[in-house]
Amino acid sequence: EADIYQTPRYLVIGTGKKITLECSQTMGHDKMYWYQQDPGMELHLIHYSYGVNSTEKGDLSSESTVSRIRTEHFPLTLESARPSHTSQYLCASSRLAQTGELFFGEGSRLTVL
Amino acid sequence: GESVGLHLPTLSVQEGDNSIINCAYSNSASDYFIWYKQESGKGPQFIIDIRSNMDKRQGQRVTVLLNKTVKHLSLQIAATQPGDSAVYFCAENSNSGYSTLTFGKGTMLLVSP
Repeated sequence: EADIYQTPRYLVIGTGKKITLECSQTMGHDKMYWYQQDPGMELHLIHYSYGVNSTEKGDLSSESTVSRIRTEHFPLTLESARPSHTSQYLCASSRLAQTGELFFGEGSRLTVL
Repeated sequence: GESVGLHLPTLSVQEGDNSIINCAYSNSASDYFIWYKQESGKGPQFIIDIRSNMDKRQGQRVTVLLNKTVKHLSLQIAATQPGDSAVYFCAENSNSGYSTLTFGKGTMLLVSP
């Protein structure tokens, strides 16, 4: 089992609310990622980080923001949620020297009403 | 743009059969390919990887074949078990300099007892 944790697993909120999805890993991995995945669809990279104080935007444009103040923690924030943000958000981590093997959390399924 | 995609969205097999899941990629610069398994309600899990200097790589009950000439990748699962039922994704490293993976569309494997 990978030691990467996401909370909450499920969240239903109203439009306009601010939310933060938490992601923590205890493997000491430098690289962390956020992917967005709609049901039955492929994963789209929205943010990633090479390490503390490093954040990069991914291939898919997203209105969310991330921060990396500590190695083990990579939270994702939506300042004002909209129904179009309804999706599953998957956090992952990997060692810097090994980019193929990502360790994923179980995901946070967000529904915005 | 460059993409990674799968031929078959759903594959149904009987327990004990061998399964073959196919993937086509279009980026000729890709040099590293990975297969992931995603069970319902969970994040993807690394299965096996292969670099472009290889044609075949074997793991436990799984074999990945790479045909660079036709840009085709396949995952073979021997003696398929009900626990193999999941969505399988291929992913490639696009050598964009950011070392991030591009995931293809998944194939659902359904194993009947």
